Amino acid sequence: SQQGEEDPQALSIQEGENATMNCSYKTSINNLQWYRQNSGRGLVHLILIRSNEREKHSGRLRVTLDTSKKSSSLLITASRAADTASYFCATPPRGGSNYKLTFGKGTLLTVNP
Amino acid sequence: DGGITQSPKYLFRKEGQNVTLSCEQNLNHDAMYWYRQDPGQGLRLIYYSQIVNDFQKGDIAEGYSVSREKKESFPLTVTSAQKNPTAFYLCASSIAQGPLYGYTFGSGTRLTVV
Repeated sequence: SQQGEEDPQALSIQEGENATMNCSYKTSINNLQWYRQNSGRGLVHLILIRSNEREKHSGRLRVTLDTSKKSSSLLITASRAADTASYFCATPPRGGSNYKLTFGKGTLLTVNP
Repeated sequence: DGGITQSPKYLFRKEGQNVTLSCEQNLNHDAMYWYRQDPGQGLRLIYYSQIVNDFQKGDIAEGYSVSREKKESFPLTVTSAQKNPTAFYLCASSIAQGPLYGYTFGSGTRLTVV
């Protein structure tokens, strides 16, 4: 069963602009993770935010978490063409099996040079 | 360098055949996972293993089988019972409490039925 849903499904921006992707989920969580997938490749873990955190930064990435709204956002600042990829949120539901990390369908980000 | 190796990168299966996808990791991770990805879709969990000689079904295990005889290896067999096997298959691994920290993924195997 799908836990997270990313929005929008696709996003196209110009190099240098900021990109914001959102993730909504259904049940209480331990943490929320964001992954990147380049076309035809495996996923790469970007950042993890725990349920007791509200904001986290890693380089040009900023993640926020609002547990009251069951939502998270990923902001990529000063985007580059190399940021073109699909971005997925993933959650291990609180109280469920800690081994069943579930993924959304992803946001396809295109950064035009 | 530590990582996960999936092979082959591309695989073609004839109707009625079983095929095995390889996944090897040298990260000393306890847990390993198999996901299936269809175009425009998220990842769906097929099987996962927390320790050697133990594995559990995920959300879409029908038509698939796995083994975990070694910590480093978690091969996936797509059997003839899997009616729609054409997909991108991803293997991942993690420490024992993986979902609390994150997964490391292989580069995937693209399986096509011919």
